[in-house]
Amino acid sequence: SQQGEEDPQALSIQEGENATMNCSYKTSINNLQWYRQNSGRGLVHLILIRSNEREKHSGRLRVTLDTSKKSSSLLITASRAADTASYFCATDAGNQFYFGTGTSLTVIP
Amino acid sequence: DGGITQSPKYLFRKEGQNVTLSCEQNLNHDAMYWYRQDPGQGLRLIYYSQIVNDFQKGDIAEGYSVSREKKESFPLTVTSAQKNPTAFYLCASSIMDYWGGYTFGSGTRLTVV
Repeated sequence: SQQGEEDPQALSIQEGENATMNCSYKTSINNLQWYRQNSGRGLVHLILIRSNEREKHSGRLRVTLDTSKKSSSLLITASRAADTASYFCATDAGNQFYFGTGTSLTVIP
Repeated sequence: DGGITQSPKYLFRKEGQNVTLSCEQNLNHDAMYWYRQDPGQGLRLIYYSQIVNDFQKGDIAEGYSVSREKKESFPLTVTSAQKNPTAFYLCASSIMDYWGGYTFGSGTRLTVV
């Protein structure tokens, strides 16, 4: 399937450290998105990167895309306790996006 | 404020009952989606609609039904044919070219009792 897979499944870091999570997918894409989900809530869109882009920044977020390896990474710099959440990548397939299983990030104060 | 409203937040269903989850958006988005999320898993697409009076099945449509009579509304009915309906249900909407990403509602947690 087109579904992305995030790695690691869970990540625990100290406040102030950087957090990196990865997403791999199986088929060619036009776009890849990253979302955040706080426990028991809906997803919030963080950033979209197009297939012809290699890197995008938004505040403390840095996303890279390597289409030759079919992978993307999300870097959160100078993490805060409020960054504790699950992070999902979503890859497009025609009329919809497929979501991965997510990385659960815990930032310890 | 613009956004998506899902109701109710919690819903309990007895065996053999049909229940309907509400999803309303005031973002003027053309496309709407229903996803199911099980614990520790990703989102799986149930149905989506890109235009009023038209919708398509997603990966796990069996046991579910939808309607799209108005642009703002995309209700999901969980029928008695859905044998394992306990899950967290998320509604989303988007403009057709996705550049702003999906906007999600806050979800409905459905439990079979």
